[in-house]
Amino acid sequence: GQNIDQPTEMTATEGAIVQINCTYQTSGFNGLFWYQQHAGEAPTFLSYNVLDGLEEKGRFSSFLSRSKGYSYLLLKELQMKDSASYLCAVRDVANNRKLIWGLGTSLAVNP
Amino acid sequence: GAGVSQTPSNKVTEKGKYVELRCDPISGHTALYWYRQSLGQGPEFLIYFQGTGAADDSGLPNDRFFAVRPEGSVSTLKIQRTERGDSAVYLCASSLDPPSSGQETQYFGPGTRLLVL
Repeated sequence: GQNIDQPTEMTATEGAIVQINCTYQTSGFNGLFWYQQHAGEAPTFLSYNVLDGLEEKGRFSSFLSRSKGYSYLLLKELQMKDSASYLCAVRDVANNRKLIWGLGTSLAVNP
Repeated sequence: GAGVSQTPSNKVTEKGKYVELRCDPISGHTALYWYRQSLGQGPEFLIYFQGTGAADDSGLPNDRFFAVRPEGSVSTLKIQRTERGDSAVYLCASSLDPPSSGQETQYFGPGTRLLVL
């Protein structure tokens, strides 16, 4: 089976930096996605990692270590609008089109 | 360039009734996915279409659930004899297939909120 773990909730302050971790246990690896989901809305794509290292995209960066089964999403210069759930998803090895999702990390950004 | 659309946005029905949920994918996207999401949970995979055919329906919970995509574009998720446990947000996503960059990002619709009373 495949398992994805991420913290349930996190709190941070406007203007600060926050790191959301994701660990996965899978029989293989085919890529990892991060999505953002605001309450009552659909998930929106943030980042994709398939090789080790850091991918930077504006205020958001995502890191992957395949040997450790670990990824993190780094959010800089936090804004109130960043309050949302952040979902980690791993591509299923058996079916390349299928994503296995974590439960999401609910981030609250306070003033 | 419209995104993925889903109708209805909300559906309230009674236990035992039949419902149909519709998804219009992004034009040109050959892959289409249905997910179910309960409050505080991540999306749960239901079924994936490649063109008109269901390439993977392993996530459908039981035979009350069925989905079609007869012309390789619009898809309909059908639920027979609805139960209260079917209440959830049903999300549809689409993507290019084969992937243009290897990334194969799935783009989600706004979802249909189904409530079974």
